Amino acid sequence: SQTIHQWPATLVQPVGSPLSLECTVEGTSNPNLYWYRQAAGRGLQLLFYSVGIGQISSEVPQNLSASRPQDRQFILSSKKLLLSDSGFYLCAWSFRGEAFFGQGTRLTVV
Amino acid sequence: SQQGEEDPQALSIQEGENATMNCSYKTSINNLQWYRQNSGRGLVHLILIRSNEREKHSGRLRVTLDTSKKSSSLLITASRAADTASYFCATLPRKSSGDKLTFGTGTRLAVRP
Repeated sequence: SQTIHQWPATLVQPVGSPLSLECTVEGTSNPNLYWYRQAAGRGLQLLFYSVGIGQISSEVPQNLSASRPQDRQFILSSKKLLLSDSGFYLCAWSFRGEAFFGQGTRLTVV
Repeated sequence: SQQGEEDPQALSIQEGENATMNCSYKTSINNLQWYRQNSGRGLVHLILIRSNEREKHSGRLRVTLDTSKKSSSLLITASRAADTASYFCATLPRKSSGDKLTFGTGTRLAVRP
C-alpha cells in the first residue's frame, strides 16, 4: 500500500535561517506531488506541485522553493525564513484526482 | 468569494444529531471531494463525487452535488464525539493539470457528548 512520510512534525526556526522540509512517498511510482500551506484556522493554499523529477510548478510568489531530486521525494526549502513563513505545511500525492496527505509540519519562525 | 467555500464556518451539535455542511464553488469541475482534518494533523480523504453524479453514500456520510448551483453538501448522520474535526471540500477543475485541488476554508464541527 502507499504511504507518505513528512518530517519533522514541528520546527521552530529563527528569522533568516534556512529551511528544508522533506516528504517521501512509498508504494507508488511517478506520483504527482504537492506542497500546501495552511494558515491557522484557514484552508489550504497550494504552493508547489510536481508531475515528475525536476519538474516543479510554483503557484504563488513566495520566499520558498521546491525540488524533486528523486521520483518519490519532494523537498520544500528556503534560504532565509521570514516571520510570515510560519504555518502548517502539508505534503500530498495524488492518484486519479484524489489527494493523500502527510501528517504535516508545524513551522514557527521566531 | 473563493473557489470551494464551506458554510457554516463552525457548527456545534449534540451527539446523535445530524450535521450538514455546504460547499460552493465557481468554475466547472471534474469532481468534488470532502476531506476531514483533526486538529494539527493531515487531511484524510472522505469521499469523492464526480460531476456526473448527484449523490453518494459512504457509511454515515452522504454527499450531494448540484452542478447547476455549483454547490455540494456533506451530511454526517448520527454524529459521534469522534466526528469532531474540520471538514474541507476540494474541487478539481475540469481543465486542471496535475490534479491541482482547490480547497475551501473548512467547517469546524464540534460534537458534544
